[in-house]
Amino acid sequence: AQSVTQPDIHITVSEGASLELRCNYSYGATPYLFWYVQSPGQGLQLLLKYFSGDTLVQGIKGFEAEFKRSQSSFNLRKPSVHWSDAAEYFCAVGTPGGSYIPTFGRGTSLIVHP
Amino acid sequence: KAGVTQTPRYLIKTRGQQVTLSCSPISGHRSVSWYQQTPGQGLQFLFEYFSETQRNKGNFPGRFSGRQFSNSRSEMNVSTLELGDSALYLCASSLAGGSEQFFGPGTRLTVL
Repeated sequence: AQSVTQPDIHITVSEGASLELRCNYSYGATPYLFWYVQSPGQGLQLLLKYFSGDTLVQGIKGFEAEFKRSQSSFNLRKPSVHWSDAAEYFCAVGTPGGSYIPTFGRGTSLIVHP
Repeated sequence: KAGVTQTPRYLIKTRGQQVTLSCSPISGHRSVSWYQQTPGQGLQFLFEYFSETQRNKGNFPGRFSGRQFSNSRSEMNVSTLELGDSALYLCASSLAGGSEQFFGPGTRLTVL
Protein backbone atom coordinates (compact mmCIF):
# COMPACT_ATOMS: atom_id res chain seq x y z
CA ALA A 1 0.00 0.00 0.00
CA GLN A 2 1.12 3.52 -0.65
CA SER A 3 1.72 6.18 1.98
CA VAL A 4 2.64 9.84 2.05
CA THR A 5 4.37 12.00 4.64
CA GLN A 6 4.30 15.74 4.99
CA PRO A 7 6.96 16.41 7.63
CA ASP A 8 5.97 20.01 8.35
CA ILE A 9 2.69 20.65 10.15
CA HIS A 10 3.08 24.44 9.96
CA ILE A 11 5.23 26.66 7.77
CA THR A 12 5.52 30.41 8.25
CA VAL A 13 6.90 32.66 5.53
CA SER A 14 6.92 36.37 4.83
CA GLU A 15 5.03 37.71 1.88
CA GLY A 16 7.30 37.81 -1.13
CA ALA A 17 9.58 35.08 0.17
CA SER A 18 10.05 31.76 -1.56
CA LEU A 19 8.27 28.62 -0.40
CA GLU A 20 8.96 24.91 -0.39
CA LEU A 21 6.58 22.37 1.12
CA ARG A 22 7.90 18.87 1.54
CA CYS A 23 6.23 15.63 0.58
CA ASN A 24 7.66 12.12 0.72
CA TYR A 25 5.86 9.04 -0.51
CA SER A 26 6.20 5.31 -0.26
CA TYR A 27 5.20 3.18 -3.23
CA GLY A 28 6.84 0.36 -5.14
CA ALA A 29 6.62 1.92 -8.58
CA THR A 30 6.14 5.39 -10.04
CA PRO A 31 2.94 6.70 -8.51
CA TYR A 32 0.52 9.41 -9.44
CA LEU A 33 1.29 12.47 -7.31
CA PHE A 34 -0.90 15.43 -6.47
CA TRP A 35 -0.86 18.66 -4.51
CA TYR A 36 -4.12 20.13 -3.30
CA VAL A 37 -4.87 23.40 -1.49
CA GLN A 38 -7.70 24.02 0.93
CA SER A 39 -8.85 27.42 2.12
CA PRO A 40 -10.67 27.55 5.48
CA GLY A 41 -14.08 25.92 5.35
CA GLN A 42 -13.70 24.96 1.70
CA GLY A 43 -13.09 21.81 -0.29
CA LEU A 44 -9.77 20.85 -1.79
CA GLN A 45 -8.58 22.35 -5.06
CA LEU A 46 -6.02 20.63 -7.25
CA LEU A 47 -2.84 22.68 -7.70
CA LEU A 48 -0.90 20.27 -9.88
CA LYS A 49 -0.38 16.61 -10.66
CA TYR A 50 2.33 14.28 -11.89
CA PHE A 51 1.51 11.17 -13.86
CA SER A 52 4.62 10.65 -16.01
CA GLY A 53 7.10 12.49 -18.21
CA ASP A 54 8.78 15.76 -17.25
CA THR A 55 9.58 15.63 -13.57
CA LEU A 56 9.07 19.37 -13.09
CA VAL A 57 5.37 20.08 -13.09
CA GLN A 58 3.77 23.49 -13.38
CA GLY A 59 0.48 24.16 -11.68
CA ILE A 60 -2.00 26.91 -11.06
CA LYS A 61 -1.38 30.05 -9.00
CA GLY A 62 2.34 30.03 -9.82
CA PHE A 63 3.12 26.75 -8.04
CA GLU A 64 5.44 24.05 -9.30
CA ALA A 65 6.58 20.68 -7.97
CA GLU A 66 9.45 18.38 -8.78
CA PHE A 67 9.26 14.60 -8.74
CA LYS A 68 12.51 13.07 -7.50
CA ARG A 69 12.40 9.31 -7.76
CA SER A 70 15.71 8.81 -5.94
CA GLN A 71 14.40 10.69 -2.91
CA SER A 72 10.76 9.55 -3.17
CA SER A 73 9.79 13.18 -2.95
CA PHE A 74 7.40 15.57 -4.62
CA ASN A 75 8.07 18.97 -3.06
CA LEU A 76 5.90 21.97 -3.84
CA ARG A 77 7.56 25.32 -4.55
CA LYS A 78 6.62 28.89 -5.24
CA PRO A 79 9.18 31.65 -5.87
CA SER A 80 7.21 34.47 -4.25
CA VAL A 81 4.38 33.90 -1.80
CA HIS A 82 1.31 36.12 -1.66
CA TRP A 83 -0.84 36.66 1.42
CA SER A 84 -3.69 34.85 -0.38
CA ASP A 85 -1.59 31.66 -0.45
CA ALA A 86 -2.23 31.15 3.27
CA ALA A 87 -4.08 27.84 3.40
CA GLU A 88 -3.71 24.13 4.09
CA TYR A 89 -1.74 22.13 1.54
CA PHE A 90 -2.14 18.42 0.99
CA CYS A 91 0.09 16.05 -0.90
CA ALA A 92 -1.50 12.84 -2.22
CA VAL A 93 -0.27 9.67 -3.90
CA GLY A 94 -2.32 7.43 -6.18
CA THR A 95 -1.67 4.11 -7.90
CA PRO A 96 -1.64 4.11 -11.70
CA GLY A 97 -4.26 1.82 -13.18
CA GLY A 98 -5.46 0.67 -9.80
CA SER A 99 -8.83 0.85 -8.19
CA TYR A 100 -7.41 2.40 -5.06
CA ILE A 101 -8.19 5.94 -4.11
CA PRO A 102 -5.35 8.40 -3.47
CA THR A 103 -3.77 8.51 -0.05
CA PHE A 104 -3.48 11.97 1.47
CA GLY A 105 -0.87 13.38 3.77
CA ARG A 106 -1.80 15.10 7.01
CA GLY A 107 -1.37 18.50 5.44
CA THR A 108 0.87 21.52 5.96
CA SER A 109 -0.61 24.77 7.17
CA LEU A 110 0.96 27.78 5.48
CA ILE A 111 1.00 31.06 7.39
CA VAL A 112 2.00 34.19 5.51
CA HIS A 113 3.27 37.23 7.39
CA PRO A 114 2.86 40.66 5.79
CA LYS B 1 -18.75 21.38 -16.69
CA ALA B 2 -20.36 21.90 -13.35
CA GLY B 3 -18.22 20.94 -10.38
CA VAL B 4 -18.96 18.56 -7.57
CA THR B 5 -21.92 19.70 -5.53
CA GLN B 6 -22.77 18.72 -1.99
CA THR B 7 -25.97 19.31 -0.07
CA PRO B 8 -26.62 20.54 2.44
CA ARG B 9 -23.65 22.79 3.13
CA TYR B 10 -24.32 23.03 6.84
CA LEU B 11 -26.19 20.75 9.19
CA ILE B 12 -26.84 20.72 12.92
CA LYS B 13 -28.05 17.53 14.56
CA THR B 14 -28.29 16.16 18.07
CA ARG B 15 -26.78 13.00 19.44
CA GLY B 16 -28.63 9.84 18.50
CA GLN B 17 -30.14 11.26 15.34
CA GLN B 18 -29.24 10.15 11.87
CA VAL B 19 -28.19 12.22 8.87
CA THR B 20 -27.97 11.82 5.11
CA LEU B 21 -25.56 13.82 2.99
CA SER B 22 -25.73 14.07 -0.77
CA CYS B 23 -23.08 14.44 -3.45
CA SER B 24 -23.46 15.01 -7.19
CA PRO B 25 -20.24 14.26 -9.08
CA ILE B 26 -18.94 15.89 -12.20
CA SER B 27 -20.77 14.62 -15.25
CA GLY B 28 -19.10 11.48 -16.59
CA HIS B 29 -17.29 10.66 -13.35
CA ARG B 30 -18.15 7.22 -12.06
CA SER B 31 -16.05 7.16 -8.91
CA VAL B 32 -17.23 8.98 -5.81
CA SER B 33 -15.25 9.02 -2.59
CA TRP B 34 -16.19 10.34 0.83
CA TYR B 35 -13.83 11.77 3.41
CA GLN B 36 -14.19 13.00 6.96
CA GLN B 37 -12.02 15.92 7.94
CA THR B 38 -11.42 16.99 11.51
CA PRO B 39 -8.70 19.17 13.06
CA GLY B 40 -7.36 16.26 15.10
CA GLN B 41 -7.46 13.42 12.56
CA GLY B 42 -6.99 15.23 9.29
CA LEU B 43 -8.50 13.87 6.10
CA GLN B 44 -9.77 10.34 6.63
CA PHE B 45 -11.13 8.15 3.86
CA LEU B 46 -14.62 6.76 4.47
CA PHE B 47 -15.49 4.82 1.32
CA GLU B 48 -15.47 4.88 -2.45
CA TYR B 49 -18.21 3.92 -4.85
CA PHE B 50 -17.73 3.04 -8.47
CA SER B 51 -20.62 2.15 -10.74
CA GLU B 52 -22.99 1.72 -7.79
CA THR B 53 -20.65 -0.68 -5.96
CA GLN B 54 -18.64 0.05 -2.86
CA ARG B 55 -15.12 -0.63 -4.04
CA ASN B 56 -13.05 0.62 -1.12
CA LYS B 57 -13.79 1.20 2.52
CA GLY B 58 -11.93 3.02 5.25
CA ASN B 59 -11.75 2.18 8.90
CA PHE B 60 -15.03 3.58 10.17
CA PRO B 61 -17.80 1.90 12.18
CA GLY B 62 -20.88 0.48 10.53
CA ARG B 63 -22.85 3.58 11.53
CA PHE B 64 -21.32 5.15 8.44
CA SER B 65 -22.79 3.87 5.22
CA GLY B 66 -23.26 5.03 1.70
CA ARG B 67 -24.68 4.24 -1.66
CA GLN B 68 -24.41 5.31 -5.24
CA PHE B 69 -27.19 5.62 -7.75
CA SER B 70 -27.21 4.78 -11.44
CA ASN B 71 -26.57 8.45 -12.31
CA SER B 72 -23.42 8.33 -10.10
CA ARG B 73 -24.92 10.58 -7.45
CA SER B 74 -24.01 9.38 -4.01
CA GLU B 75 -25.35 9.63 -0.50
CA MET B 76 -23.76 8.87 2.80
CA ASN B 77 -25.66 8.16 5.96
CA VAL B 78 -24.56 8.35 9.55
CA SER B 79 -26.84 6.74 12.11
CA THR B 80 -26.90 7.23 15.87
CA LEU B 81 -24.82 10.39 15.71
CA GLU B 82 -22.11 10.98 18.28
CA LEU B 83 -20.42 14.23 19.26
CA GLY B 84 -17.23 13.00 17.60
CA ASP B 85 -18.98 12.85 14.24
CA SER B 86 -18.85 16.63 14.04
CA ALA B 87 -16.67 17.28 11.01
CA LEU B 88 -16.42 18.54 7.47
CA TYR B 89 -17.55 15.77 5.14
CA LEU B 90 -16.01 16.00 1.71
CA CYS B 91 -17.06 14.26 -1.43
CA ALA B 92 -14.72 13.81 -4.39
CA SER B 93 -15.33 12.44 -7.84
CA SER B 94 -12.96 11.08 -10.45
CA LEU B 95 -13.02 9.24 -13.73
CA ALA B 96 -11.21 6.30 -12.14
CA GLY B 97 -10.37 5.56 -8.56
CA GLY B 98 -6.63 6.23 -8.61
CA SER B 99 -6.61 9.35 -10.70
CA GLU B 100 -7.18 13.01 -10.06
CA GLN B 101 -10.04 13.75 -7.70
CA PHE B 102 -12.26 16.79 -7.81
CA PHE B 103 -13.66 17.87 -4.48
CA GLY B 104 -16.92 19.44 -3.51
CA PRO B 105 -17.16 22.28 -0.96
CA GLY B 106 -18.11 19.88 1.81
CA THR B 107 -20.93 19.56 4.32
CA ARG B 108 -20.19 20.93 7.77
CA LEU B 109 -21.93 18.65 10.28
CA THR B 110 -22.25 19.75 13.87
CA VAL B 111 -23.56 17.28 16.44
CA LEU B 112 -24.85 18.77 19.69
